[in-house]
Amino acid sequence: AQSVTQPDIHITVSEGASLELRCNYSYGATPYLFWYVQSPGQGLQLLLKYFSGDTLVQGIKGFEAEFKRSQSSFNLRKPSVHWSDAAEYFCAVLGGYNKLIFGAGTRLAVHP
Amino acid sequence: DADVTQTPRNRITKTGKRIMLECSQTKGHDRMYWYRQDPGLGLRLIYYSFDVKDINKGEISDGYSVSRQAQAKFSLSLESAIPNQTALYFCATGRLDTDTQYFGPGTRLTVL
Repeated sequence: AQSVTQPDIHITVSEGASLELRCNYSYGATPYLFWYVQSPGQGLQLLLKYFSGDTLVQGIKGFEAEFKRSQSSFNLRKPSVHWSDAAEYFCAVLGGYNKLIFGAGTRLAVHP
Repeated sequence: DADVTQTPRNRITKTGKRIMLECSQTKGHDRMYWYRQDPGLGLRLIYYSFDVKDINKGEISDGYSVSRQAQAKFSLSLESAIPNQTALYFCATGRLDTDTQYFGPGTRLTVL
């Protein structure tokens, strides 16, 4: 079955520190993968996506993600976190009929 | 103006009441989706529509119905609301030739 696992429910980092949010997927074919961010009281905004090609994908707001087929992972990274990055982050894989299958989300807190 | 709008943004209702959540988009996309978000569960698909004449159930459609009144409008109805339908509801749109979905700001529904 198609699924997405985000192992970390909450993560806290200090402002300026590096960040890595983990995402593992289960999908039979070549996956289309996404990272979305949800700021408090807001809808979901697309950070980046991977369809094919270069396994290191650049997104908005200084985020990047690396697709590793051997590990079934698509981890999100940022070299230096800003206080405005505090939000909830969702990893998703595109399933059949263009349906997005989401992970449970990782809530990021940023300490000053 | 926002590309995907949802009304109302917040709603409190009582068990047994009929509720309609509305979604409108100005992106010109063919595909529209309704998701619900529950803490710790991420987003789950309720219904999706690939065009005005094409409506499909998602993974959690029981207790919900939808109407695609026009390409730009997709409404979600709860015929007889129950407390476990308390959640954050998101509408999303997508296009045939791209796999990216764009989300509205969400409707927070509370059923007492």
